[in-house]
Amino acid sequence: DIVMTQSPLSLPVTPGEPASISCRSTQSLLYSNGYNYVSWYLQKPGQSPQLLIYLGSNRASGVPDRFSGSGSESDFTLKISRVEAEDVGIYYCMQALQTPITFGQGTRLEIK
Amino acid sequence: QKELVQSGADVKKPGASVRVSCMASGYPFTDYYIHWLRQVPGRGLEWMGWIDPESGDTNYGQTFQAWVTMTRDTSVSTVYLQLNRLKSGDTAIYYCARDVGREVGKTLFLDNWGQGSLVTVSS
Repeated sequence: DIVMTQSPLSLPVTPGEPASISCRSTQSLLYSNGYNYVSWYLQKPGQSPQLLIYLGSNRASGVPDRFSGSGSESDFTLKISRVEAEDVGIYYCMQALQTPITFGQGTRLEIK
Repeated sequence: QKELVQSGADVKKPGASVRVSCMASGYPFTDYYIHWLRQVPGRGLEWMGWIDPESGDTNYGQTFQAWVTMTRDTSVSTVYLQLNRLKSGDTAIYYCARDVGREVGKTLFLDNWGQGSLVTVSS
């Protein structure tokens, strides 16, 4: 199975400041079509997860442009350019290159 | 509006079975895989498997394949997750989620999620 490792696991951020979450996989997620099969999700308190970024760097519909995804092969990053109060929750990376689909442990973002 | 609506919370005794439903609306039901995921309270996300609503084909995670069954009823645009021989450790929120990868024959990402169904296993 592909293991996804996120860091940090806890991320206190002052509003207006940037934030960055790392996700590393135990094997390359770069598929033969040139896309990285990694996506990012935010689970706000008491809610279902919601898609933020797909195929490594594409923002999902309705996601603010302060969110961006980057990286390739086995090293990926989710960045928030200026954190807002509504961004609190747990962020997960997910790989879909092969089954079983696996997730990172989650990074809890909180407002300082 | 694309939506997945799941059945409500349920309480079962150890050894029992439960069926969770996920009704799709606002898009062609058979055009997208549906995945099931589990989240034990306070823990992370765990993938259980997917079903192709058109063919009924399934792909289960090894952890789950001996005790879960995924089915669908295209007449009501609904997929089902049956959990058998429940244990207290199966107490969790179960989510269905839509996968856009069906048109390319490969899971891509999960763009719509149901609201979750809490299954509590307790004697």
